[in-house]
Amino acid sequence: DIQMTQSPSTLSASVGDRVTITCRASQSISRWLAWYQQKPGKAPKVLIYDASSLESGVPSRFSGSGFGTEFTLTISSLQPDDFAIYYCQQYDSFWTFGQGTKVEIK
Amino acid sequence: QLQLQESGPGLVKPSETLSLTCSVSGGSISGSSYYWGWLRHSPGKGLEWIGSIYYSGSTYYNPSLKSRVTISVDTSKNEFSLRLRSVTAADTAMYHCAKAPSRGAFNIWGQGTMVTVSS
Repeated sequence: DIQMTQSPSTLSASVGDRVTITCRASQSISRWLAWYQQKPGKAPKVLIYDASSLESGVPSRFSGSGFGTEFTLTISSLQPDDFAIYYCQQYDSFWTFGQGTKVEIK
Repeated sequence: QLQLQESGPGLVKPSETLSLTCSVSGGSISGSSYYWGWLRHSPGKGLEWIGSIYYSGSTYYNPSLKSRVTISVDTSKNEFSLRLRSVTAADTAMYHCAKAPSRGAFNIWGQGTMVTVSS
């Protein structure tokens, strides 16, 4: 099984901050990685797929990078609507999620 | 526009079987090379993929749940279903159905249905 490890688990930040979340795969997954945003009571929403492709309708302040085992989600300027939980997910072999990163108000 | 909607009991007794259905509208469940999946999330366990069924009918399950899970599809009703046997309190979660393109992220989700396992 492919394990996904996210860091940090919690991130405290202010509006306007640049935020970076890291995801590491237990083995190479090429570029088969997605990032999701989840808010309370809502279904997860895909932000990035194939490691760096922006899902239609997602603001350009979100970006993804990485290949193989190391991946990053960056929010260039944190907005009030961005306080949420973020998950990475691999789909190289079935689907596995990271444990999540909560972005909270500092 | 494709939409998914979960339905099923909100309360299941321990040791019994959890059964949920996902109704698909705005497109055919068998018309494209998609995976139709079941996922769940709970405060203690985060997001977890339960299993998926390919448009061809092939099924794929999370190894940790494989012994208890069955996913099936009813093309005549344009829906797919989840059965999770021998449930315990650890199976209490919000359950979602979702769709993924062949080798892709789940890009369309149902709103979810809360299932509580309790006597």
